[in-house]
Amino acid sequence: KNEVEQSPQNLTAQEGEFITINCSYSVGISALHWLQQHPGGGIVSLFMLSSGKKKHGRLIATINIQEKHSSLHITASHPRDSAVYICAADNGASGSRLTFGEGTQLTVNP
Amino acid sequence: DVKVTQSSRYLVKRTGEKVFLECVQDMDHENMFWYRQDPGLGLRLIYFSYDVKMKEKGDIPEGYSVSREKKERFSLILESASTNQTSMYLCASSLLRQSLGETQYFGPGTRLLVL
Repeated sequence: KNEVEQSPQNLTAQEGEFITINCSYSVGISALHWLQQHPGGGIVSLFMLSSGKKKHGRLIATINIQEKHSSLHITASHPRDSAVYICAADNGASGSRLTFGEGTQLTVNP
Repeated sequence: DVKVTQSSRYLVKRTGEKVFLECVQDMDHENMFWYRQDPGLGLRLIYFSYDVKMKEKGDIPEGYSVSREKKERFSLILESASTNQTSMYLCASSLLRQSLGETQYFGPGTRLLVL
């Protein structure tokens, strides 16, 4: 069993739909990261959170420390949101070493 | 804006060749990381460094070495490339060694094909 698991692996949505991607982790963490990877490879950090909820534009990330679970929500999805979304657990060790989930491939159709 | 650059976007090498992948960051970050990304396996840490001339093994260091002679530059070396090292290689950096929960900034990636 992977230390960080994401679901679903693949997600197809219609433009405008509300999207949820889930992440469960089994390790102790100091923070949970959500990353976005567009075709071509570049990875961008979306959120880093250790408790509660964060919002940036149409993106919302939540974390429940007790349940070791985090969700990434996208409201009013758009085709440009199509990407791979990756969650990563920061174990808090020196150097901020991350353990990554396998990623969720999101495709938003117009 | 933090900028992390990698020396090549695409590389084709032959089995047995020595391969150098270079990464440069321009924000005086202490931590630098090398990952490889493979379908179905996600990102896996090869090596990381939290200071000049310091390095630590990640989860899959076999077949790789690294060099950090200057703070801004972190090199990944494949001493004798093999076909199972065909992969996407991503470099990242983060600011402070002792800080918890640091954002990592990623380079654009190098897609390496070993024939």
